[in-house]
This record gives sequence, C-alpha cells and structure tokens, in this order.
Amino acid sequence: TQLLEQSPQFLSIQEGENLTVYCNSSSVFSSLQWYRQEPGEGPVLLVTVVTGGEVKKLKRLTFQFGDARKDSSLHITAAQPGDTGLYLCAGVRNGNQFYFGTGTSLTVIP
Amino acid sequence: SQTIHQWPATLVQPVGSPLSLECTVEGTSNPNLYWYRQAAGRGLQLLFYSVGIGQISSEVPQNLSASRPQDRQFILSSKKLLLSDSGFYLCAWSSSGNQPQHFGDGTRLSIL
Repeated sequence: TQLLEQSPQFLSIQEGENLTVYCNSSSVFSSLQWYRQEPGEGPVLLVTVVTGGEVKKLKRLTFQFGDARKDSSLHITAAQPGDTGLYLCAGVRNGNQFYFGTGTSLTVIP
Repeated sequence: SQTIHQWPATLVQPVGSPLSLECTVEGTSNPNLYWYRQAAGRGLQLLFYSVGIGQISSEVPQNLSASRPQDRQFILSSKKLLLSDSGFYLCAWSSSGNQPQHFGDGTRLSIL
C-alpha cells in the first residue's frame, strides 16, 4: 500500500473546466510538494507547502495543505491543454523520509 | 545553477545483458541522489538513494544495484537484465532529505 494516495487516478476534461486533485494519507507530513511531469521527462516541482492550512497560488493553480498536514489538494481553474500531464504529490516525514503519491494523469481536451 | 544529466535517453537491451545508467549533477556538492522507476502514467518507485560517496540504501530487493563512485555521480547497474526491468528510470538530487527533488529527463529502458 502507498503512503500517499491520489485521486482521481485519471482525469479527462474539456478546456475551460475546473478540477481538483486530492492527495491523502493517514500519516502526518512536515511538508508536502506538488510536481508536474510531461511525457518523456522528469517531474518538475510546482510548489512546497509546509504549514497546516496553508494555501499557495501559482497562476490558475491553487494548492492547499490540510490543517492536520495529512492531505493536500490541487485546484486548477479554467484548465488549458498546457496543463496536461501527470501530477504527483510528495510528502516528507520524520525529517528526511520522502514519499511520492500514486499520481493523477490529467488530459485537457481543446 | 544546478543541473542534472542522465543518459542515455532511450535504451533497448536483450534479456540477460548487463546495464549501466549514469547520472551526474553539476553546481552543487554532497547532494542526496536517488534512482526511481516509473510505470506508465503512475507514481515513482524509489529504488536506491545515497547520502554520500559509497553510501547506498536499497528500498526494494531486485535485480539492480547502484553505486556512487564520486560525489556527484550515481550509477544504476545490472549484471543480467530481466523482462520485468523494463520501464522509465529517473535520477534525482536534493540538497537534503527533506528538500524538493530535482529530476533528470529519464531513461526509457526496453528489454526484448
């Protein structure tokens, strides 16, 4: 079993729609990161959240860290084809233990 | 600025052949280094990580091994490849265990 479960696993939406991706765990993390990966490339860091309840915005992307630091969400407003990719959350536990989530594959249809 | 290089980008190997994938980091010293394998469209499976020269931790028992002969060089090897070794292999570095990881562009390994 994975420590960080992401949902949904796959998501296909029309351009302009909004969506939310979830990253859930029963464990507490000291920080949590979100990455985006395009086909044939390595993941690229989008954001790091460290405080329970923290919200960060990156243009049309909004990231939230749960109050108890066990979960996180990524909300995309007015999705565009360029948002297509694999979204991965990753949590840090016990100072230096790094765990990646199961991934959400997003396709935005023009 | 820091950069990470991973090669080759694509590799096709017969079953039973050896493997050597190389990863080097520039612009930083004493990085944590990681090897991951990824199935199509899925998350990352940590294979090995290293906190220093000659220090290798293995996360899963497997047909693969890793070595760190120099501070910024990380090598993934196998003496005899299996069909199940096919996949997308990613190398990454971080400044410490709780910091974001920075990835190479990956190697697509196909075993025939």
